[in-house]
Amino acid sequence: GAVVSQHPSRVICKSGTSVKIECRSLDFQATTMFWYRQFPKQSLMLMATSNEGSKATYEQGVEKDKFLINHASLTLSTLTVTSAHPEDSSFYICSAARGPPGETQYFGPGTRLLVL
Amino acid sequence: EDKVVQSPLSLVVHEGDTVTLNCSYEVTNFRSLLWYKQEKKAPTFLFMLTSSGIEKKSGRLSSILDKKELSSILNITATQTGDSAIYLCAVEPYAGNNRKLIWGLGTSLGVNP
Repeated sequence: GAVVSQHPSRVICKSGTSVKIECRSLDFQATTMFWYRQFPKQSLMLMATSNEGSKATYEQGVEKDKFLINHASLTLSTLTVTSAHPEDSSFYICSAARGPPGETQYFGPGTRLLVL
Repeated sequence: EDKVVQSPLSLVVHEGDTVTLNCSYEVTNFRSLLWYKQEKKAPTFLFMLTSSGIEKKSGRLSSILDKKELSSILNITATQTGDSAIYLCAVEPYAGNNRKLIWGLGTSLGVNP
């Protein structure tokens, strides 16, 4: 159990376009989902925390108008990178936690974004 | 400021060796410590530790938490080339409904045949 999927796994887009990444918990209901970004040879950087039905909580320095997060249901959260630029190229990973705090977070396989 | 420090940052061993990876933390209101393995994709969950002194084991991997020393170790015995990965340690503090994890930088383990 505890499978999290992400789609797409890889995306290449032109500068200025918007990209939507989906994160789904396949076999459990995720009360909270997290979005991370990871640059090469660096650790995970939390971008935002999203709870179903409420606005996401963004980390300091993360532009909420650029990285739109929607957590429409207990099994789906989406991250939209708006007007993407080459510096947005990164590995985006979501994780999902079921139940109350203290439950393990499970990660999706990640999405590699390359903005040309 | 809460922080998690892992050591060593990088390690190369030969197949069959035993390795010990360290994770120390300074966190207000500790709840749990987690170990993940990251290969080329996203991290996969290994262990969650909440109680001091109780070893968790999965095959050749084991981990234990020491709340007095504010640290944890991850042991891998009889290493194989497939163990080559980055091992990440994270701590979850008590913070109401805030589930934010505090991450270490990871230990990059290379296992040579």
